[in-house]
Amino acid sequence: GAVVSQHPSWVICKSGTSVKIECRSLDFQATTMFWYRQFPKQSLMLMATSNEGSKATYEQGVEKDKFLINHASLTLSTLTVTSAHPEDSSFYICSANWGGDTGELFFGEGSRLTVL
Amino acid sequence: GQNIDQPTEMTATEGAIVQINCTYQTSGFNGLFWYQQHAGEAPTFLSYNVLDGLEEKGRFSSFLSRSKGYSYLLLKELQMKDSASYLCAVVDSNYQLIWGAGTKLIIKP
Repeated sequence: GAVVSQHPSWVICKSGTSVKIECRSLDFQATTMFWYRQFPKQSLMLMATSNEGSKATYEQGVEKDKFLINHASLTLSTLTVTSAHPEDSSFYICSANWGGDTGELFFGEGSRLTVL
Repeated sequence: GQNIDQPTEMTATEGAIVQINCTYQTSGFNGLFWYQQHAGEAPTFLSYNVLDGLEEKGRFSSFLSRSKGYSYLLLKELQMKDSASYLCAVVDSNYQLIWGAGTKLIIKP
């Protein structure tokens, strides 16, 4: 099946720094990618929908200036957490819609961010 | 508003059968997904239902009744590795995915 790769898997940073997470579709073109955040023992929460070549669509309550999303090509979307704070520590997961018959979502491996 | 309900946690015995229910109220319906998520990992696809009825795939089966706004995931011959969270997600009329909070399944020997 289709593969989505996410990098890095783990990142620890100091408060106030910025962190970039990459999401790549390895064997298909993804015009749309999704970014989720998941706090421990909680459900996935959609942060934004990333559209290739245009601005991302953010969900209500998600700060677009803090969580910068760039979808420069059909195989790469990036999420940058700017001026990270400890409350931004979370599991960030990207997914891409393969667009086949089922419209199945393929998820990246996830990136665990810890802000000290 | 849109809502998806699943039990928070279930416990079952290795080798047994368990049914995880999901009820939904959404603006329109364009399919229902079940995903499995092990702790600390990303979700993996289990099934997709868009028509009423039962879809069987090995030890896992998924059922849908659109008129009742109801689905269930049936897991047979439970194995310890089936201990995970099971997420129900519905595609609404705008083709947005609405996620349930997930059901944590605990398998005991």
